[in-house]
Amino acid sequence: QQQVKQSPQSLIVQKGGISIINCAYENTAFDYFPWYQQFPGKGPALLIAIRPDVSEKKEGRFTISFNKSAKQFSLHIMDSQPGDSATYFCAASALSSASKIIFGSGTRLSIRP
Amino acid sequence: EAQVTQNPRYLITVTGKKLTVTCSQNMNHEYMSWYRQDPGLGLRQIYYSMNVEVTDKGDVPEGYKVSRKEKRNFPLILESPSPNQTSLYFCASSRKGQGHNEQFFGPGTRLTVL
Repeated sequence: QQQVKQSPQSLIVQKGGISIINCAYENTAFDYFPWYQQFPGKGPALLIAIRPDVSEKKEGRFTISFNKSAKQFSLHIMDSQPGDSATYFCAASALSSASKIIFGSGTRLSIRP
Repeated sequence: EAQVTQNPRYLITVTGKKLTVTCSQNMNHEYMSWYRQDPGLGLRQIYYSMNVEVTDKGDVPEGYKVSRKEKRNFPLILESPSPNQTSLYFCASSRKGQGHNEQFFGPGTRLTVL
C-alpha cells in the first residue's frame, strides 16, 4: 500500500513534443504529490508538486494532472527541450508522516534534437 | 549558499571495512534523511531524523546506522559493508512546518563495496 508505481522506465521524445510520465498509488492517506528532476551527477530537485484538492497544476511547460478517484497522477512536459533530458521521480507523502516520502522507480527521459 | 553537502563523493572499499559518509546542511532544517538509489528501484529511504537525537528506520535500514548529535549533521555508518550495499546514496533535509516541505538533496555518494 505504500508503493508508488511509475511508468515508463525510459522515454524518448522528439524536441518540441509532449513528454508524459505516469504514476499510481494505493494509499488514500497520501495528500501531497511532488515530482523531482535529477540531472546526471546531481541530487534530485523539486520540480512541481500538487495536492489532491485540485485536478491540475501548471508551471511553465510542466503540468501535473491528478485523478483522485483513479489514484493516478501524471507529469506532462510541453514543447520538450533537450535540456529537459533527465530522470524524473514521482513521489507521495501523507501529512501524518511528512518526513517520509515514497518515491517511484524513476523515468529516464531523453529529448532528441 | 543554502546546500546539503556529502563526503566523500566517491568511495571504493572492501567487504567488512567500516565506513562513514558525512552529511551536513546549512539551512537549519529539522528533518534529515538518507536514501539509496538503485536502477529500477528509485529512491528508497534508509533512515530519517526529525530532530537532534531523534532517528527512525526507513524502508531499507538493515546494515546501516545513523546518528544525529547536532542539527546540521547526519552521518551514515556502515559497520560491515557488503557488496549488496553498492549503490548511490543521497542525504536530504527539509524544514519542519505546516504541511509538506520540499526536500533538498545533497550531490550523492557513489559507493562500491568489493
